[in-house]
Amino acid sequence: AQSVTQPDIHITVSEGASLELRCNYSYGATPYLFWYVQSPGQGLQLLLKYFSGDTLVQGIKGFEAEFKRSQSSFNLRKPSVHWSDAAEYFCAVGARTNAGKSTFGDGTTLTVKP
Amino acid sequence: DVKVTQSSRYLVKRTGEKVFLECVQDMDHENMFWYRQDPGLGLRLIYFSYDVKMKEKGDIPEGYSVSREKKERFSLILESASTNQTSMYLCASSLRQGGYEQYFGPGTRLTVT
Repeated sequence: AQSVTQPDIHITVSEGASLELRCNYSYGATPYLFWYVQSPGQGLQLLLKYFSGDTLVQGIKGFEAEFKRSQSSFNLRKPSVHWSDAAEYFCAVGARTNAGKSTFGDGTTLTVKP
Repeated sequence: DVKVTQSSRYLVKRTGEKVFLECVQDMDHENMFWYRQDPGLGLRLIYFSYDVKMKEKGDIPEGYSVSREKKERFSLILESASTNQTSMYLCASSLRQGGYEQYFGPGTRLTVT
């Protein structure tokens, strides 16, 4: 069975500073990996995904993530955070043989200081 | 553009009532999901459907049932609502094959009093 750990429950950064949100997964083979964002009172929206190939993937809103197989990690980064990035971020892992189901991490809440 | 809609954004029900949460998607997705979201617990899968009339239990199915009579519609039923079912409920859909992202509705915040 797959699992996802997001070690940071809450992160605060200043506007304009860089951001890295951590995600570690457990899965026996190469997984599908996703980052979603949830604004207050809304559903989740896909930021980016990794299936195969280039381990550095670009997403919407200036986000990127890097798949590191040796570390079982898929950390999300952004070089310069905007106040509108304040939200909750979820990492998810899907198995190639699991018919579209994903396992989600518990989420990281991002606060942006002016 | 994929759209997933949920019948209510906010719902208040009394203990013991039967509650129906409806979800509709417009992209002909095979898979549909119901999650509940509670602070500190992330998203927990209640039920999953991969085709009309087909369903699988998720991690926390107790106290819930589902119905999928049409491909685009997936209903979550609380047979007898209890206060510990007060939560945010999220519906999602995706293509059947593994690796495809899920598309989420806006959520229904259910309060059971």
